[in-house]
Amino acid sequence: GAVVSQHPSRVICKSGTSVKIECRSLDFQATTMFWYRQFPKQSLMLMATSNEGSKATYEQGVEKDKFLINHASLTLSTLTVTSAHPEDSSFYICSAIRGRGTGNTIYFGEGSWLTVV
Amino acid sequence: DQQVKQNSPSLSVQEGRISILNCDYTNSMFDYFLWYKKYPAEGPTFLISISSIKDKNEDGRFTVFLNKSAKHLSLHIVPSQPGDSAVYFCAAINTDKLIFGTGTRLQVFP
Repeated sequence: GAVVSQHPSRVICKSGTSVKIECRSLDFQATTMFWYRQFPKQSLMLMATSNEGSKATYEQGVEKDKFLINHASLTLSTLTVTSAHPEDSSFYICSAIRGRGTGNTIYFGEGSWLTVV
Repeated sequence: DQQVKQNSPSLSVQEGRISILNCDYTNSMFDYFLWYKKYPAEGPTFLISISSIKDKNEDGRFTVFLNKSAKHLSLHIVPSQPGDSAVYFCAAINTDKLIFGTGTRLQVFP
């Protein structure tokens, strides 16, 4: 079964509105989660590192005021796309690290399709 | 700046033969590499990994080779099966961040 769960799997929103995507680690605590986006036929691009209890670390070129990340608990990180526009339509994927050091394993969520109309 | 590159966007292989997917990287500080398989509209599925202290890791039909001097790794799938058809991403770990390559679409035909 899924170890990391994303919700919703698909969402359609109107341009200008905000949409929230949740990423949950189901049976482990994850102090660090990652958010990626994938455009059609392109690689998975790391957007930001979500740190429990502190601010997220954004990759270069990612607008932190547009893509709000909240990691309020050890099992939940949320990505909110604010004032969404059609160009934000993409496949968003989260991942979480289970374990520490060389024994850790990275798990990915099932992904969330966002379509902004 | 693409630190992990897969120069072949697609590969077509006959069932039963070997599939070889290649990946190059630029950052010599990467110390761990992974291969993922991905279907459309799904999250990546982990296949196999290799530490930078090794040059080969094998798991069933999947073998990953690492050439540190050339900053190159490859995934060998043998024998290839139609169910292997998917997009394959190589990835490198840099301080807990996973940096993905651009992906190679593998198609295995009967």
